[in-house]
Amino acid sequence: QEQLVESGGGVVQPGRSLRLSCAASGFIFRNYGMHWVRQAPGKGLEWVAVVSSAGITKYYGDSVKGRFTISRDNSKSVVSLEMVSLRVDDTALYFCAKEGGDSKFSFDFWGRGTLVTVSS
Amino acid sequence: ETVLTQSPATMSLSPGERATLSCRASQSVSNYLAWYQQKPGQAPRLLIYDASKRATGIPPRFSGSGSGTDFTLTISSLEPEDFAVYYCQHRNEWPPGAFFGGGTKVEI
Repeated sequence: QEQLVESGGGVVQPGRSLRLSCAASGFIFRNYGMHWVRQAPGKGLEWVAVVSSAGITKYYGDSVKGRFTISRDNSKSVVSLEMVSLRVDDTALYFCAKEGGDSKFSFDFWGRGTLVTVSS
Repeated sequence: ETVLTQSPATMSLSPGERATLSCRASQSVSNYLAWYQQKPGQAPRLLIYDASKRATGIPPRFSGSGSGTDFTLTISSLEPEDFAVYYCQHRNEWPPGAFFGGGTKVEI
């Protein structure tokens, strides 16, 4: 059974850094691209970043480009998001999501999320 | 950048009624359009991918249609558990970013 478990969230001051992790199980991790998607409190979904199955291609949303770095370790089935220069508007629930097995253009499984609060 | 506009923002319906949700793209997205359901405190769940294909385990009362710029999610007869927020989503071949619509809340 597929499972994605995020961790690493917490309360951090503006300008500081945080590293999120997402541990995958129940599927062949190295075969799928992985994404981070976030949701600010009471708001909609915002796509954050993607890393390809081999970890070679990485792409970011405009609001995080240059501040966030996505990476993966296929030997450990983990995808990570390194966040630096955090801003108050980065406050959100961060989900990791797996590319669809039937269509890479959708996300067929999501974790439950980890909450990041950026506040002084 | 592709902008997805969902309408209406909120719709008030009763169990048993038909729900028709719209998603309009600012440029053609071919059939690369997905729909998700999100309930409070839960992660989104994939309902429809490639505009009209139901994801695994999704009941047949959910259907998707459209191509190009105009897409529709239809729930043929609302069940109590269908009251939730629904999002449409598109992802490019290249660049490989993704975009979400603002969501439609289906409330009782």
